[in-house]
Amino acid sequence: GDSVTQMEGPVTLSEEAFLTINCTYTATGYPSLFWYVQYPGEGLQLLLKATKADDKGSNKGFEATYRKETTSFHLEKGSVQVSDSAVYFCAPHSSDDKIIFGKGTRLHILP
Amino acid sequence: GAGVSQSPSNKVTEKGKDVELRCDPISGHTALYWYRQSLGQGLEFLIYFQGNSAPDKSGLPSDRFSAERTGGSVSTLTIQRTQQEDSAVYLCASSSNPTIGGAGLTSTDTQYFGPGTRLTVL
Repeated sequence: GDSVTQMEGPVTLSEEAFLTINCTYTATGYPSLFWYVQYPGEGLQLLLKATKADDKGSNKGFEATYRKETTSFHLEKGSVQVSDSAVYFCAPHSSDDKIIFGKGTRLHILP
Repeated sequence: GAGVSQSPSNKVTEKGKDVELRCDPISGHTALYWYRQSLGQGLEFLIYFQGNSAPDKSGLPSDRFSAERTGGSVSTLTIQRTQQEDSAVYLCASSSNPTIGGAGLTSTDTQYFGPGTRLTVL
């Protein structure tokens, strides 16, 4: 069945460090790919998305590129801030519009 | 143990009717979230409960939408006078309390999602 694997956390980095959170998926058809973020005490919110191969989604300094050949959608940011501390979820949307969530990666940024 | 459950799994209604969607969170989870996923779109946050209170109602799209939670457990999302644009999958999730870590860090436990209710307004 469809599934997603993302980097296990927690991930702890210093401010201004480079961030990568890996995500790979298996899905039938041609899924759209999403990253969601959950800040402490809040609900999930969409961070970025890509709907076709080689598309790059970006928002708030975060980027992820849809790599169909490696079925990956790794999340990156060049210089993280304390305010980026949150849980990040990789979530392919399958062709029948079902969301498949990863387990989430908790990110702690130290000042 | 049992996960998050939602009912009904599918609901077809006529425009103008009221609908009620139910969510049973994982036992012991104090935080409960409602989301909406419209066709081809990402998740849209609707409302969040901590216990029986809702500190964040900012995502409710209109005053036709309301939600309540009783006994710190079951939650119902009510949509009055449904419109066609309300058609979507409504997802519920639950998690444990947010906690404060030893270094002043905050952490929020993972949300566990229910299977969703697919609402179709004709």
